[in-house]
Amino acid sequence: DAGITQSPRHKVTETGTPVTLRCHQTENHRYMYWYRQDPGHGLRLIHYSYGVKDTDKGEVSDGYSVSRSKTEDFLLTLESATSSQTSVYFCAIGQGATDTQYFGPGTRLTVL
Amino acid sequence: AQSVTQPDIHITVSEGASLELRCNYSYGATPYLFWYVQSPGQGLQLLLKYFSGDTLVQGIKGFEAEFKRSQSSFNLRKPSVHWSDAAEYFCAVGERAGNNRKLIWGLGTSLAVNP
Repeated sequence: DAGITQSPRHKVTETGTPVTLRCHQTENHRYMYWYRQDPGHGLRLIHYSYGVKDTDKGEVSDGYSVSRSKTEDFLLTLESATSSQTSVYFCAIGQGATDTQYFGPGTRLTVL
Repeated sequence: AQSVTQPDIHITVSEGASLELRCNYSYGATPYLFWYVQSPGQGLQLLLKYFSGDTLVQGIKGFEAEFKRSQSSFNLRKPSVHWSDAAEYFCAVGERAGNNRKLIWGLGTSLAVNP
């Protein structure tokens, strides 16, 4: 299995609070991704990174920001959490040569 | 725009029966194609991938998939399903633009296995 960890694995927070999710890899892969998964919507890309300090928006980026100051870490921040951001969040990594992505275990976020 | 369609939302098969999950894609160039599996409460695991060459690719857990360019399809098959194969299955196609490397995902097929 690819060396990807996500923290925290579970989080319950209140509307309006900031939340940061962390993705950490030990594979030295160039590409990192944040997805959210909701019933009926499959996987939706929030943001991705193609190198340190190089990030771009995905299809559902509103309300989210990311940062990547080191190859191994990719942070996802919800500046002011809303109930619509209750979801399971997955981080993935990829080399880029073959487009293959490897997934972390996920973070279940509940916004009350 | 590129897209992936998994026509079957839910499929139920009996243990020991054969399985075929359908995937159709829309992509202009030669695609990189993937199947992933997600067991309940777990992350996604790569089952198999196609880049080039032999159009029949073998994956883990006894799965295989066949790339058919003329039909824009990449269907997943297994000759004999086990109860542990009950899971969500996702098909994806790679999308490239400059430095960007993304996967375009189907919405998934949920597989139930009857004993």
